[in-house]
Amino acid sequence: NAGVTQTPKFQVLKTGQSMTLQCAQDMNHEYMSWYRQDPGMGLRLIHYSVGAGITDQGEVPNGYNVSRSTTEDFPLRLLSAAPSQTSVYFCASSKYFPGTGNIYEQYFGPGTRLTVT
Amino acid sequence: RKEVEQDPGPFNVPEGATVAFNCTYSNSASQSFFWYRQDCRKEPKLLMSVYSSGNEDGRFTAQLNRASQYISLLIRDSKLSDSATYLCVVNSPRTGGFKTIFGAGTRLFVKA
Repeated sequence: NAGVTQTPKFQVLKTGQSMTLQCAQDMNHEYMSWYRQDPGMGLRLIHYSVGAGITDQGEVPNGYNVSRSTTEDFPLRLLSAAPSQTSVYFCASSKYFPGTGNIYEQYFGPGTRLTVT
Repeated sequence: RKEVEQDPGPFNVPEGATVAFNCTYSNSASQSFFWYRQDCRKEPKLLMSVYSSGNEDGRFTAQLNRASQYISLLIRDSKLSDSATYLCVVNSPRTGGFKTIFGAGTRLFVKA
């Protein structure tokens, strides 16, 4: 069981470039999410998904796109990188309870450290 | 006011000390609560869920006070390895389901 994996671990982009951060989980979790973590601000939700073909925006979605074609994978695309997107990005997955829309323990990937110059 | 607030610290304590952190939340309808631990430059990991009746796991005790809208984490007999950032997490209802809100974290340094 690899849990949640993320690639790459580190990335440097120039302003305006695009890229995709990869995330995969092998726990058959319905719920997957992307967060960014900036100093003093805690983790902020970018996008999330409650199953294949279903995605929704979180707190800070602007500048990012997601898709969920399989249960396992949830890539995050940066459309046109900006210095404000310099951050640490975490992908997470969790069991999802559709009756209540609630989730419980989230399992996080190791993170991607992105710098935009 | 932030939806989930924590004292950022840092808390500097000697080995063997007892230390407690609080976390306040603004939505009285919040339903599930957690403490996560995050080591420097690592991903967050669940430390413990917080139940209405309070719960204990070894040296760690979590409590929920719904009337005052806060949760707490007590660490007894602190170890050097407890040095980390402790994140408070609250699930609050929103249209169609729940949203998960992370506090900014409380930093703990345990020194020999």
